[in-house]
Amino acid sequence: NAGVTQTPKFQVLKTGQSMTLQCAQDMNHEYMSWYRQDPGMGLRLIHYSVGAGITDQGEVPNGYNVSRSTTEDFPLRLLSAAPSQTSVYFCASSPTGAYGYTFGSGTRLTVV
Amino acid sequence: KNEVEQSPQNLTAQEGEFITINCSYSVGISALHWLQQHPGGGIVSLFMLSSGKKKHGRLIATINIQEKHSSLHITASHPRDSAVYICAPGLTFGKGTHLIIQP
Repeated sequence: NAGVTQTPKFQVLKTGQSMTLQCAQDMNHEYMSWYRQDPGMGLRLIHYSVGAGITDQGEVPNGYNVSRSTTEDFPLRLLSAAPSQTSVYFCASSPTGAYGYTFGSGTRLTVV
Repeated sequence: KNEVEQSPQNLTAQEGEFITINCSYSVGISALHWLQQHPGGGIVSLFMLSSGKKKHGRLIATINIQEKHSSLHITASHPRDSAVYICAPGLTFGKGTHLIIQP
């Protein structure tokens, strides 16, 4: 099925652990992005990419790394998890940033 | 940074009512999105606007680029319209409007 696939759906980490949230799309979209959603804060942009090999920081990039080696995949790495990174994470893609987004189903991350 | 204000933050209405959600932003943009997030958490893109007005079914979105303002209207509202509606000018997102339509 065409769309954006995020894995895992749920994850519990201990403080200091590292992990990678996976995001893949099969629509040949150039633009991909990661957001976190916290109660009362709305969606906040973490990192985005306008094509393979090109990434840039969003509003809240600290503590997260990204890479875009292929058009299809845009993984988000948490280097050393902290309780402040407990959130719901969404990945999205679009043909360019100016067209409609397709969102993944989200990853609920808890850091204890 | 683009400051985004959505109003109202919360809205409860009766089925059939005409609904308006407003979005104002501080920095000029080339395109604005309206998104819908259902209680289960999934996010769906409703509209992308760069000028004027778009209509899809009972949903209408308008934008005034000069005034930095957009509105989302729902005609003949229905309980299935209950969701959070999010305005996204450029790469910034509003906090959303929580809409509940009561039967």
